[in-house]
Amino acid sequence: GAVVSQHPSRVICKSGTSVKIECRSLDFQATTMFWYRQFPKKSLMLMATSNEGSKATYEQGVEKDKFLINHASLTLSTLTVTSAHPEDSSFYICSADRLAGGEYEQYFGPGTRLTVT
Amino acid sequence: SQQGEEDPQALSIQEGENATMNCSYKTSINNLQWYRQNSGRGLVHLILIRSNEREKHSGRLRVTLDTSKKSSSLLITASRAADTASYFCATDAIGANSKLTFGKGITLSVRP
Repeated sequence: GAVVSQHPSRVICKSGTSVKIECRSLDFQATTMFWYRQFPKKSLMLMATSNEGSKATYEQGVEKDKFLINHASLTLSTLTVTSAHPEDSSFYICSADRLAGGEYEQYFGPGTRLTVT
Repeated sequence: SQQGEEDPQALSIQEGENATMNCSYKTSINNLQWYRQNSGRGLVHLILIRSNEREKHSGRLRVTLDTSKKSSSLLITASRAADTASYFCATDAIGANSKLTFGKGITLSVRP
C-alpha cells in the first residue's frame, strides 16, 4: 500500500511553454501533499505544501506565480511550471502524507525529470 | 550548517561489510526518517524513529537516535551491491506541520 505516482516521468519542453506534472496517491487519501525540487547530486528542496481544498503554502524564495499548485481532490495534486526556462530544468518529486500508526509518514512519488530547451 | 546533515558524504565499502552513516540535526523533532534514493529515481522510505525511541531495527537496517546529541545513525549490515544508492535523513521538526527537512545525503557504493 501507500503508492504515489507521478506523471509524466520525463518531459522535455521548449522555453516559454508551460508543463503540468501530476501527483496521485493511488491507494490512500492525502489531505496534504508536498512538492520538492532536486538538483543533480543535491538534496531535496521543499518548494510548497499542497493542501486539499485550499491554497498551497510556498517556501521562501519559491515563486507562486511560476509554480502553480492545485490540490483539487484528496488523491491528486498538480504542479504547473509556467513559462518554463532552462534554469527550471530539474527533478521534481512529490510526496503525500499518510496517517500510519498515529504518525504522518510521507510517501514519495518516483519523480519527474523536466528538461527545458 | 543545515538541519539534517549526514556524514560521511560518500562511503565506499566491500560487499559484506557494514555501512554506518550518521546524521546530525539542530532543532527538536517529532521523528527522524531515513530514505534511500537510487540514481534518478524517487525516494524509498526505509525507517522512521520517533523522538522517544533510541533504537529501531528493520531487516538489515539498524537506526539509533540520540536526542541529547541531536544525532542519528543508520547501520546497514552485511551490505550488498544492490545497497548502492544515496541515503538521506529527514527530520520532522516540532511545529513544522509534517514538513520534512532533508540532509544533503550520503552516496554509498558497495563494491561486489
